Amino acid sequence: EAGVTQFPSHSVIEKGQTVTLRCDPISGHDNLYWYRRVMGKEIKFLLHFVKESKQDESGMPNNRFLAERTGGTYSTLKVQPAELEDSGVYFCASSQVGTQGQYFGPGTRLLVL
Amino acid sequence: AQSVTQLGSHVSVSEGALVLLRCNYSSSVPPYLFWYVQYPNQGLQLLLKYTSAATLVKGINGFEAEFKKSETSFHLTKPSAHMSDAAEYFCAVSDWGNNNDMRFGAGTRLTVKP
Repeated sequence: EAGVTQFPSHSVIEKGQTVTLRCDPISGHDNLYWYRRVMGKEIKFLLHFVKESKQDESGMPNNRFLAERTGGTYSTLKVQPAELEDSGVYFCASSQVGTQGQYFGPGTRLLVL
Repeated sequence: AQSVTQLGSHVSVSEGALVLLRCNYSSSVPPYLFWYVQYPNQGLQLLLKYTSAATLVKGINGFEAEFKKSETSFHLTKPSAHMSDAAEYFCAVSDWGNNNDMRFGAGTRLTVKP
């Protein structure tokens, strides 16, 4: 069974540009989460989807970040326009509803110059 | 609000020595507790989890952790370190029934010396 996959693995963009990150959860997992780790800091929760609905987006830093999960399958996280402080590793995770413990993807390393 | 604190951003042990990675939690409700490991260029892998059953939880790769409510701790241990254990380890907490509200510690990087 395939795990959580994320694309791209790395992205280097200039300040002001737009970047879209993609996450494909494990098949059958209705819960999908986005997290971010800024260099040297803790992993922080961004938002949580249950199927296509946003269950909790309290961790989204600001309105430059837009997450979608059309159809309840894969999800995208768009940053527009990107700022220097957006650099970090963006993790996606998924889980089945009613279970504890999330399965993480390898992350997307974003560098904004 | 829930939180976890990992004591020591870097821990170095010799191969064959005891591994002890410390985690203390803060939670106003009974917590779920997790340890994740991240190997280089890989995602986070669940090592073990505490979900209110046995207080001593055994995980993969010979790791275990003990939930101590009186000390609000969930330290990760392994009796004998192996070179392949070198990685970054994260402690995390979530409350019962709220699978999305997971809070991570800052991580502890484990180095294993030959």
